[in-house]
Amino acid sequence: AQKVTQAQTEISVVEKEDVTLDCVYETRDTTYYLFWYKQPPSGELVFLIRRNSFDEQNEISGRYSWNFQKSTSSFNFTITASQVVDSAVYFCALSEAYSGNTPLVFGKGTRLSVIA
Amino acid sequence: KAGVTQTPRYLIKTRGQQVTLSCSPISGHRSVSWYQQTPGQGLQFLFEYFSETQRNKGNFPGRFSGRQFSNSRSEMNVSTLELGDSALYLCASSLVGSNTGELFFGEGSRLTVL
Repeated sequence: AQKVTQAQTEISVVEKEDVTLDCVYETRDTTYYLFWYKQPPSGELVFLIRRNSFDEQNEISGRYSWNFQKSTSSFNFTITASQVVDSAVYFCALSEAYSGNTPLVFGKGTRLSVIA
Repeated sequence: KAGVTQTPRYLIKTRGQQVTLSCSPISGHRSVSWYQQTPGQGLQFLFEYFSETQRNKGNFPGRFSGRQFSNSRSEMNVSTLELGDSALYLCASSLVGSNTGELFFGEGSRLTVL
């Protein structure tokens, strides 16, 4: 069965520090998708990135970067030069492509607080 | 374009009552998924509807039900409310199925059961 573990429950950093949010996943499928979502205080989850299991290239988008390593089943998320607006709960999620429309499974989330 | 709209945003019910929550997806999206979010259990999948058909169902009791209308709007219903049903209920829509596509979430309906 699929599972996503975000071991860091809460992280607090000072503005401009870099921070990495860890995500470890378990799946028996060879084809799967990994996601990161951000949940600001308003409540709605906001999509950040989707990765399929065949694409291990790291990705950078502005201050955000993602490191996907199949060897360690990890999909970590780094925010460079953090800002107060980055304060939110971040969720990593996994879906299996060939296991019959299985829904997205989310990790428990990491609450990031960026202090000015 | 308009985002996912959920109503009501907040509601308070008492044990034993029932509640209906509504979700209007982004125009053109045929998939609507529902999630329950609680501090202890995190985000748990309730069900997904695609073109009016339930495509998948999470591990929740039969008190939780849903449906989708021809215009893709969806409702979920919880009958015989229990204290443990207090949660944020999130609806998400997507163009394709929820397991491969980007999900667009609403701000949720926060249910408090007294």
